[in-house]
Order: sequence, then C-alpha cells, then structure tokens
Amino acid sequence: QVQLQESGPGLVKPSQTLSLTCSVSGDSISSGYYWNWVRQHPGKGLEWIGYIYQSGSTFYNPSLKSRVAISIDTSNNLFSLKVTSVTAADTATYYCARDDTNTWSALGHWGPGTQVTVSS
Amino acid sequence: QSALTQPPSASGSPGQSVTISCTGTSSDIGGYNYVSWYQQHPGKAPKLIIYEVSQRPSGVPDRFSGSKSGDTASLTVSGLQADDEADYHCSSYAGSNHWVFGGGTKVTVL
Repeated sequence: QVQLQESGPGLVKPSQTLSLTCSVSGDSISSGYYWNWVRQHPGKGLEWIGYIYQSGSTFYNPSLKSRVAISIDTSNNLFSLKVTSVTAADTATYYCARDDTNTWSALGHWGPGTQVTVSS
Repeated sequence: QSALTQPPSASGSPGQSVTISCTGTSSDIGGYNYVSWYQQHPGKAPKLIIYEVSQRPSGVPDRFSGSKSGDTASLTVSGLQADDEADYHCSSYAGSNHWVFGGGTKVTVL
C-alpha cells in the first residue's frame, strides 16, 4: 500500500519561496501514476495546485502557474513543490496525493498534510 | 477556472439521507464523467469515496452514492451514521489536464 508523507518548514516569510517534499513509500514513483499537490486554506475547501507524471511532465492550476514548480526525484522516490513569492494567502495545509489505483481521475492516496504559515 | 459550487452545510438525523449538490459548468462537470467526492474528518486528510460520478472504491459502504445531471453532480449519504459527520468535497476534471474542487460541505448528523 502506497504511503505519502509531506515535509518542509512550517513557517515561511513573505516574499520567500515555500519548499515542500513528499516522500513516497510502498510504491515506485516511476510506476506510472500522477503525483499531485493540493492545498486547503484554513476552514476552506481544497485547491488543486498541480501534478507531475513520472516522465517529468507537469500541469498546474492556471491561477498559480506563474509561481509554482513541481519536480520529481526518482532516485530518492520523492517529489517536491516550490511556491515562489509567497504571501499570507499561501498559508494553508498542503497535501501530496496520488491518483487511485482504479482510475487516474481521482486521488486515492493522500499524505497526512503539512501546515504552512506565511508570516514575518 | 472557477471552483465548483457546494452548499456550505447540510444535515440529517441518524438513519435519514442527505444529498449534497456540486454545481459546475459545461467545461468541467457537464463535459466529463470524471466527478469524484472526498470525505474529510477534522484534522485528517481527505478520503476518496466516489470516483467517475458513481463508482465506489473498495471498502466504501454502499450507503454512499453519486450521480450527475447536466452541470450538477450529487452525493447522497443514506442511513446516516454519527461517523458520517464530516466535510465533503467534490472535484471534477476540467479539461487540459486541470482539476477543480468545490468549496466543501459540512455535514452534521443531528
């Protein structure tokens, strides 16, 4: 059973870059799935950030595209998220997730999430 | 790419049914049969309960059912139980390798 675990700093200063890593266990990150980042602002709904495929192809939410980059590290079986020029509006819980075994169209596996606060 | 529209709250008594709507456009829900639903308990990660409009992953009770009509998808929880009290989020494929979520609905079991 695949397991995902987010890691990274819980506090980032405004205008800096937020960097998070998602470590994958129980499955190879090269196994052909879509590796996603999703965030949730406090008390709000979910927001899809983007995903990366094993080939390195990336797709991003148009509203975040100019500030977001997702990369994959097959050697260490992990993928990463960078969000540049952060503001308080980037304060959220960030989740990494993988599409379900039965369908590419839904996220069947999630990490527990990591809370990130943007504040000076 | 706008978020899908969900009612902020819904409620029902134990044993009753509750239905949550999720309204999009012809560019997302209306254009594809790739609607999914997630259950999220406080402080926990979302859990997939419905995919491709009406399919249930293994282990999800058949009390959870999904449907779609036009640009609106619906999730029905039958035989409400205390543990069904949670936030429910809908999601849809929006074309061009993009996805969109709803704002979430808090279900209260009275």
